[in-house]
Amino acid sequence: GQQLNQSPQSMFIQEGEDVSMNCTSSSIFNTWLWYKQDPGEGPVLLIALYKAGELTSNGRLTAQFGITRKDSFLNISASIPSDVGIYFCAGPNTDKLIFGTGTRLQVFP
Amino acid sequence: NAGVMQNPRHLVRRRGQEARLRCSPMKGHSHVYWYRQLPEEGLKFMVYLQKENIIDESGMPKERFSAEFPKEGPSILRIQQVVRGDSAAYFCASSRAIGSGANVLTFGAGSRLTVL
Repeated sequence: GQQLNQSPQSMFIQEGEDVSMNCTSSSIFNTWLWYKQDPGEGPVLLIALYKAGELTSNGRLTAQFGITRKDSFLNISASIPSDVGIYFCAGPNTDKLIFGTGTRLQVFP
Repeated sequence: NAGVMQNPRHLVRRRGQEARLRCSPMKGHSHVYWYRQLPEEGLKFMVYLQKENIIDESGMPKERFSAEFPKEGPSILRIQQVVRGDSAAYFCASSRAIGSGANVLTFGAGSRLTVL
């Protein structure tokens, strides 16, 4: 079945640094979604991408839908402590969303 | 403007007992999904339901697990004769039926089941 692999698995960065993470798939997706999960909470949608090559921003976050439709990237600029959490990519598989393995982000002051 | 409501937030059960987790979807959403998250792992799809219908249960364990979304009331995920391996966070999500954003799921805060 379809799988979404995220890298890196975890990141430890200093406040103010920029962050890049990516998500790759074994097959093509028509939609890419990026979610963030705070500790003890449910995932919250950050950015939705609907077209190959699309670049979308949400504040300090920027995400891109890869041209091949098999990958997506999320960048966070000037990280702050509240960026801590797990970032998941997701894509539709028939009638449901499947999620990537997650990138755990720790931000140190 | 309530989002997806799940209860209980935390549930403790002894081995062999039953666990019932409830989910009320967001207003205007008629599709409900259940996901399970084991500690330090990602979200695994369990089941997708519409009112009175199970659409896709390909992620549900074959035994002890069941789900429903009745005409009235919340969706229920039921786990019978719980075992320690059932300890996890169970998330409910909902979405609109069709149109723009139909693929986008809104998640609840989760129900954390601990089996002693």
